[in-house]
Amino acid sequence: DTGVSQDPRHKITKRGQNVTFRCDPISEHNRLYWYRQTLGQGPEFLTYFQNEAQLEKSRLLSDRFSAERPKGSFSTLEIQRTEQGDSAMYLCASSSTSAQNYGYTFGSGTRLTVV
Amino acid sequence: AQSVSQHNHHVILSEAASLELGCNYSYGGTVNLFWYVQYPGQHLQLLLKYFSGDPLVKGIKGFEAEFIKSKFSFNLRKPSVQWSDTAEYFCAVKDGATNKLIFGTGTLLAVQP
Repeated sequence: DTGVSQDPRHKITKRGQNVTFRCDPISEHNRLYWYRQTLGQGPEFLTYFQNEAQLEKSRLLSDRFSAERPKGSFSTLEIQRTEQGDSAMYLCASSSTSAQNYGYTFGSGTRLTVV
Repeated sequence: AQSVSQHNHHVILSEAASLELGCNYSYGGTVNLFWYVQYPGQHLQLLLKYFSGDPLVKGIKGFEAEFIKSKFSFNLRKPSVQWSDTAEYFCAVKDGATNKLIFGTGTLLAVQP
């Protein structure tokens, strides 16, 4: 396990459809984060998990968005009834709570285009 | 609320020129600061980080940054840039309780050969 994996890399969907993205973190990392990045902006925090518990959600995460990490390993981010404004790069990152190992690593992201 | 400001949105330099990218933060707790780089088509990579100790931090690829607490700044520097440094650079501050990162809007650096 050499890094954070995200699938798919690209997704084009029609407005109103549902989409789901997957993130596989570094195996020994117990924290997992989702960010969204739009053109000309830095990544914006969406939500994070410690093990299977979702501990914080940004106000950016509307009720159309839901994230899960059922077994404390991989995570999914679902967007229901997609809108054109949801078009963005969705980034996943993982880290360890160990003070000796910062290890905050990003995946390559899933680029969503809503048409 | 925590925030990070990057005032240079787009910087164009010639090879061998010196680089300084500004970063100012607003955060009330213990400060952990980072610079990330994103090369075209690639994922975010950590350039360097400051947690404590020596305020002059050295990172990969010849980059360094200086933490100046009195100015709430963490500027990124490189004495001589290369064409391969063309990328987008993001400054970030870490929330101590959750480890989430608060990013600036980024600086797009273009180095002309």
